[in-house]
Amino acid sequence: NAGVTQTPKFRVLKTGQSMTLLCAQDMNHEYMYWYRQDPGMGLRLIHYSVGEGTTAKGEVPDGYNVSRLKKQNFLLGLESAAPSQTSVYFCASSYGYSYQPQHFGDGTRLSIL
Amino acid sequence: AQTVTQSQPEMSVQEAETVTLSCTYDTSESDYYLFWYKQPPSRQMILVIRQEAYKQQNATENRFSVNFQKAAKSFSLKISDSQLGDAAMYFCAYYSGSARQLTFGSGTQLTVLP
Repeated sequence: NAGVTQTPKFRVLKTGQSMTLLCAQDMNHEYMYWYRQDPGMGLRLIHYSVGEGTTAKGEVPDGYNVSRLKKQNFLLGLESAAPSQTSVYFCASSYGYSYQPQHFGDGTRLSIL
Repeated sequence: AQTVTQSQPEMSVQEAETVTLSCTYDTSESDYYLFWYKQPPSRQMILVIRQEAYKQQNATENRFSVNFQKAAKSFSLKISDSQLGDAAMYFCAYYSGSARQLTFGSGTQLTVLP
């Protein structure tokens, strides 16, 4: 089983460029999440989705957009990348029950120059 | 908003010994869940153990157990018979049943000494 797959694994961008991170899960999970992880900090929630066609803001949503057009995919977009968005990005998914743990992808390391 | 505090940025333990990692949280909710995740150098986030707040019994998974003190809002992780493979960053996390969001602590880097 692939679980949660993130594409790409590494990327270097210049300030002002745009890009999309793709997250795909094959576990038929309802909920999907995007986090960022910065040095010395835990993961912080950017956006999340509780079902196909729905998205919601998390703790640090500014500068990011998301879309959940298909249940298995959750896209994170950076319209105009800034150096402050240099981070490791994690996608996660879970069933729609609160006691079910989230399953994480392997992360995407993104550097903005 | 809920907050999760891990007051030990770094801990070390001798192989085969026991170590306890601390976590406290702040909430006014009654419906929540607590988790410990492990992040080795490979960067994967691996679930270690979980605890439902409505359960008084402490969760146990093999060598890993928790001490859940609901009134004190404390959720510590005990690792028994520590192994070299336990070396990792450990994150405590709080799941809000109402907000449907997971809030992480800042992590504790655990080193296992041979």
